[in-house]
Amino acid sequence: DIVMTQTPLSLSVTPGQPASISCKSSQSLLHSDGKTYLYWYLQKPGQPPQLLIYEVSNRFSGVPDRFSGSGSGTDFTLKISRVEAEDVGVYYCMQSIQLPFTFGPGTKVDIK
Amino acid sequence: EVQLVESGGGLVQPGGSLRLSCAASGFTFSSYWMSWVRQAPGKGLEWVANIKQDGSEKYYVDSVKGRFTISRDNAKNSLYLQMNSLRAEDTAVYYCARGTRSYDYWGQGTLVTVSS
Repeated sequence: DIVMTQTPLSLSVTPGQPASISCKSSQSLLHSDGKTYLYWYLQKPGQPPQLLIYEVSNRFSGVPDRFSGSGSGTDFTLKISRVEAEDVGVYYCMQSIQLPFTFGPGTKVDIK
Repeated sequence: EVQLVESGGGLVQPGGSLRLSCAASGFTFSSYWMSWVRQAPGKGLEWVANIKQDGSEKYYVDSVKGRFTISRDNAKNSLYLQMNSLRAEDTAVYYCARGTRSYDYWGQGTLVTVSS
């Protein structure tokens, strides 16, 4: 199985300041079809996860442009340019290049 | 509006069975792969199983193979998860989710507790 790791596991951010989360996979997520199957989800308290970023860097519909994704191969990053109070929750990366699909352990983000 | 509503969770003894349902609406259910993803209390997300649009392909995480069965009824716009031989470690909120390689819509989840 592909192992996903995330750093840091927790992050406390002042509103208006940037935040960055790293995600690494144990194998390359670049498929022969040219796509890289790396996704980012945010699970707000008491809610199901919601899709933020698909295929490394594409914002899902309705996701604010302060969220951005980057990376390639096995190393990926989610950045929030200016954290807002509504961004608190747990952020997960997920790979779907190979079954079983696997998630990172999550990064808990809260506001200072 | 896309909606996914899970039901069927509850308290069950170890070794028991439970059938989860997910009622879908607001989209053409038969056009999408569907999945179950679970989350143990206070823990992270774990992909459990998925099923192709016509039910011809099904995949499972190793820890549930031979015990869980995913199925769907496209005429009823419903997804199911039959869970047999339940163990304490199956205790989790079970979410149904829409999508092939990513999940753009999720239900609110149904809690399964396996305990004597």
